[in-house]
Amino acid sequence: QQQVKQSPQSLIVQKGGISIINCAYENTAFDYFPWYQQFPGKGPALLIAIRPDVSEKKEGRFTISFNKSAKQFSLHIMDSQPGDSATYFCAASIGSDYKLSFGAGTTVTVRA
Amino acid sequence: DGGITQSPKYLFRKEGQNVTLSCEQNLNHDAMYWYRQDPGQGLRLIYYSQIVNDFQKGDIAEGYSVSREKKESFPLTVTSAQKNPTAFYLCASSIGQFSGNTIYFGEGSWLTVV
Repeated sequence: QQQVKQSPQSLIVQKGGISIINCAYENTAFDYFPWYQQFPGKGPALLIAIRPDVSEKKEGRFTISFNKSAKQFSLHIMDSQPGDSATYFCAASIGSDYKLSFGAGTTVTVRA
Repeated sequence: DGGITQSPKYLFRKEGQNVTLSCEQNLNHDAMYWYRQDPGQGLRLIYYSQIVNDFQKGDIAEGYSVSREKKESFPLTVTSAQKNPTAFYLCASSIGQFSGNTIYFGEGSWLTVV
């Protein structure tokens, strides 16, 4: 049973557009929410992460929005570029636990 | 350069055969992990280890075994009991247990049953 539900499974966006990926969770004990970016045949790499005491975090063109009451968080990729084409995973963990629970992933394709 | 090295990149297993995937890290991290990745299912935790000579089962440990004899090494054996082993296997490590724990991944190993 997946503890973090991610949508959509895939999306296509034009260069310069905005990509939005959504995740929802049930476990209110989760206190760390990272996003990972994975290129084909490679391991995932940490992109950006947020904790529930803030509602938004921005790093360059990537922004996480966090809604604690709705138990949802999302990744926005602004001004999407062809180099952003990858699979993105949201994840969640509890500070006292070693385990990350991952969403199923979203494959983003940016068309030039 | 510091990082996580997985080998081999590609491995083929015959029915009834055990195979071992290697994972070495030089990041001086205490914790190490093995994840399995299947299309459309994200990453699922197989085993993890917090310190040397200690490891715990993850969500899908059946048919797998691990050892942690050295801090830098965490090999995974896929046994013949694993009925559907074809997947992409990812080794990872992290400094240790604290909130906001960043996990670093290796490049992965592809295992195919032939």
